[in-house]
Amino acid sequence: DTEVTQTPKHLVMGMTNKKSLKCEQHMGHRAMYWYKQKAKKPPELMFVYSYEKLSINESVPSRFSPECPNSSLLNLHLHALQPEDSALYLCASSQVLWTADTQYFGPGTRLTVL
Amino acid sequence: DQQVKQNSPSLSVQEGRISILNCDYTNSMFDYFLWYKKYPAEGPTFLISISSIKDKNEDGRFTVFLNKSAKHLSLHIVPSQPGDSAVYFCAASGRDDKIIFGKGTRLHILP
Repeated sequence: DTEVTQTPKHLVMGMTNKKSLKCEQHMGHRAMYWYKQKAKKPPELMFVYSYEKLSINESVPSRFSPECPNSSLLNLHLHALQPEDSALYLCASSQVLWTADTQYFGPGTRLTVL
Repeated sequence: DQQVKQNSPSLSVQEGRISILNCDYTNSMFDYFLWYKKYPAEGPTFLISISSIKDKNEDGRFTVFLNKSAKHLSLHIVPSQPGDSAVYFCAASGRDDKIIFGKGTRLHILP
């Protein structure tokens, strides 16, 4: 299995809702990443987990809360989001943190905040 | 099924020569293609893009060629420099703006 899967594919939520994005990989990768991407722009790094520990938080607002329950799973909990948070949220993984090898990207979750 | 394929996991090129990175795609609905560059310890950074209405886009030492009939694009770097050593991702998007990434090609520039 050489895939990174993300659920849901699409999510529409109000500003008062609480929702979660899920990312999963079964390649034995020990580094996992969350990116935010606006249309036709490069992905912006949000969080990095290495061996299930938060390694990097790129000054992301607290309304985004990451969680890494185990080495295969990465969640992004969302609460009190703003309309400008609407974007494509990409998850990625790599064997270990920041290897020069490939980083596997998931298909993304399209988030719309109303 | 991979919609964006980079069949060469790695490539070594002599400094000063041309580096050619290849990418194939299967979805004919893709209308925008991008190349990203990634150094170790950093996230991917945007390099160059091309719309499906064009067949070539040039930016300094970097040129992207698109062959829609073959569903193939390539990135040419000339002349190659040591700082070009990195992993290069090909990506494509369609009307939903979802970006599909290839698995990357690691480019080594040899002195």
